[in-house]
Amino acid sequence: ETGVTQSPTHLIKTRGQQVTLRCSSQSGHNTVSWYQQALGQGPQFIFQYYREEENGRGNFPPRFSGLQFPNYSSELNVNALELDDSALYLCASSLRGVATNEKLFFGSGTQLSVL
Amino acid sequence: SQKIEQNSEALNIQEGKTATLTCNYTNYSPAYLQWYRQDPGRGPVFLLLIRENEKEKRKERLKVTFDTTLKQSLFHITASQPADSATYLCALGPGGYSTLTFGKGTMLLVSP
Repeated sequence: ETGVTQSPTHLIKTRGQQVTLRCSSQSGHNTVSWYQQALGQGPQFIFQYYREEENGRGNFPPRFSGLQFPNYSSELNVNALELDDSALYLCASSLRGVATNEKLFFGSGTQLSVL
Repeated sequence: SQKIEQNSEALNIQEGKTATLTCNYTNYSPAYLQWYRQDPGRGPVFLLLIRENEKEKRKERLKVTFDTTLKQSLFHITASQPADSATYLCALGPGGYSTLTFGKGTMLLVSP
């Protein structure tokens, strides 16, 4: 167990709707990264938050947005859902500022299905 | 563009044998390379990290090599067990506080 929790575990939405996914980072971690993993693919980086600010973004459109809160938990919001947004969304926490900060601790993910 | 390649076909081996998985990359100069294990419906779990100035790293039955000239990493599991069956992901990091780039992963199936 990594101590990173995500909710909900599964979600079904229809095209055009909006969704919010939540993540509680591991105790003591100050950085949260979000990844999208389509079936049979590796995780693709969406963005990273450090101390409540976006700190790096992958090749995802602006309808993917996020927040990090003072307790370092985080949200991923996706607007105007498309069928291709169906995937496993993974949250990973890490601790910036020490030598092991490159290691990511992943939650179990939220499986999003867009119909 | 940057590219990370892992064997797309599943690797089937017998229990007790050594499993060897390959990760090749192009157009990339990583400061380090990591290997993760992922079980179905779960998030990846960190296994090993090797830096660009290291040739080999070991942890229990796991061994990883890193050849920056060949742009390749090999991941070995010795004395494999059915419980080692999972998908193994290779990930590259540019260093500093930048995030990881993952390959598609290779599924390993260990039969008793």
